[in-house]
Amino acid sequence: NAGVTQTPKFRVLKTGQSMTLLCAQDMNHEYMYWYRQDPGMGLRLIHYSVGEGTTAKGEVPDGYNVSRLKKQNFLLGLESAAPSQTSVYFCASSSGRYNQPQHFGDGTRLSIL
Amino acid sequence: GIQVEQSPPDLILQEGANSTLRCNFSDSVNNLQWFHQNPWGQLINLFYIPSGTKQNGRLSATTVATERYSLLYISSSQTTDSGVYFCAVGLPFNAGKSTFGDGTTLTVKP
Repeated sequence: NAGVTQTPKFRVLKTGQSMTLLCAQDMNHEYMYWYRQDPGMGLRLIHYSVGEGTTAKGEVPDGYNVSRLKKQNFLLGLESAAPSQTSVYFCASSSGRYNQPQHFGDGTRLSIL
Repeated sequence: GIQVEQSPPDLILQEGANSTLRCNFSDSVNNLQWFHQNPWGQLINLFYIPSGTKQNGRLSATTVATERYSLLYISSSQTTDSGVYFCAVGLPFNAGKSTFGDGTTLTVKP
């Protein structure tokens, strides 16, 4: 039972490069989320999705795009990476039903030089 | 938006000691989770506890939703308990989104 799987686990980019982070869940969850964690802080919501084909902005969406073409996958894109986007990125999913917890992946550590 | 405050920010204990971590939140919530972030950065779900009390081994948690706080108790602490403890809360009818506190960093010394 894999739960929430994030790919890749580590990545180093140069300023201006683009990349896509993949999140996959095998729990048939409706809701999926992307968070970022900066040193000494809690997680902050970037974007989220309440179902296949839907996306919405979270607290810190600037510089990121997302897509949810399949229910089990949620992609986070950086079109032109900036050093301020150096962070650890976490994906999460939940069933969307009342009183159900979020399940988190192990994170992707992204460094932008 | 909702504010989440965790205290203390840092805590240093000797192995075997007990501790209480607190999470205050500024609005009514319908979900609350406690996480342990281990030295490898993984978020380990400890409790899903929007209200009431739960226990799991040496750990227990209590949420008093009407007074907008939750407590995480760690008894007989071990060095493996070291790490950062996060509280995350969610508002009703808010697509399950969570707002995290800034965490409590726990160091347990042998």
